[in-house]
Amino acid sequence: EIVLTQSPATLSLSPGERATLSCRASQSVSSYLAWYQQKPGQPPRLLIYDATNRATGIPARFSGSGSGTDFTLTISSLEPEDFAVYYCQQRSTWPLFGQGTRLEIK
Amino acid sequence: QITLKESGPTLVKPTQTLTLTCTFSGFSLSTNGAGVGWIRQPPGKALEWLALIYWNDDKRYSPSLKNRLTITKDFSKSQVVLTMTNMDPVDTATYFCAHSAYKYGGSLFDPRFWGQGILVTVSS
Repeated sequence: EIVLTQSPATLSLSPGERATLSCRASQSVSSYLAWYQQKPGQPPRLLIYDATNRATGIPARFSGSGSGTDFTLTISSLEPEDFAVYYCQQRSTWPLFGQGTRLEIK
Repeated sequence: QITLKESGPTLVKPTQTLTLTCTFSGFSLSTNGAGVGWIRQPPGKALEWLALIYWNDDKRYSPSLKNRLTITKDFSKSQVVLTMTNMDPVDTATYFCAHSAYKYGGSLFDPRFWGQGILVTVSS
């Protein structure tokens, strides 16, 4: 089973700063990786699919990169509404989510 | 406008069978390239894919849970039903249904549209 490891577990930043979230797979998932944002009491929201493609309606400050085993979600300049939990998900095999990175206000 | 809503019991006893219904609008599951899936999330924990049903009635299940899961669809009612047998307290979670289609890009396992979820507690 492919394991996804997200780091850091918690990231403390201020609005306007750049956020870099990492997702590492235990074996190659090619580009079959997505990123989701989840706020308390809400369902997840798809941000990025196939490693680099922004879903419809997602602001340009969100970008994804990587392939194989190492992936990054970058938020270029944090807005107040970006503070949430972020999950990566691979679909190379049966889809599996990482444990999440909590992005909190510093 | 696409909406999905989960319904079913919020409390089940251990060993019972859980039946959840996803009622959707704004799309048809008979449309080529569409799918509806179920994902769950234990309190404070990560998400877990359970099952997906395709427009052509093909079905995929979590390998670790496949012996306990059944997913079906009812075109006339715009519903997808998930049953999970032999419920256990570790199955306590919020259960989400979600929709995607190939026309949006990516895979049916990259759902764009989600219900709000239903919290199911397993306790005697």
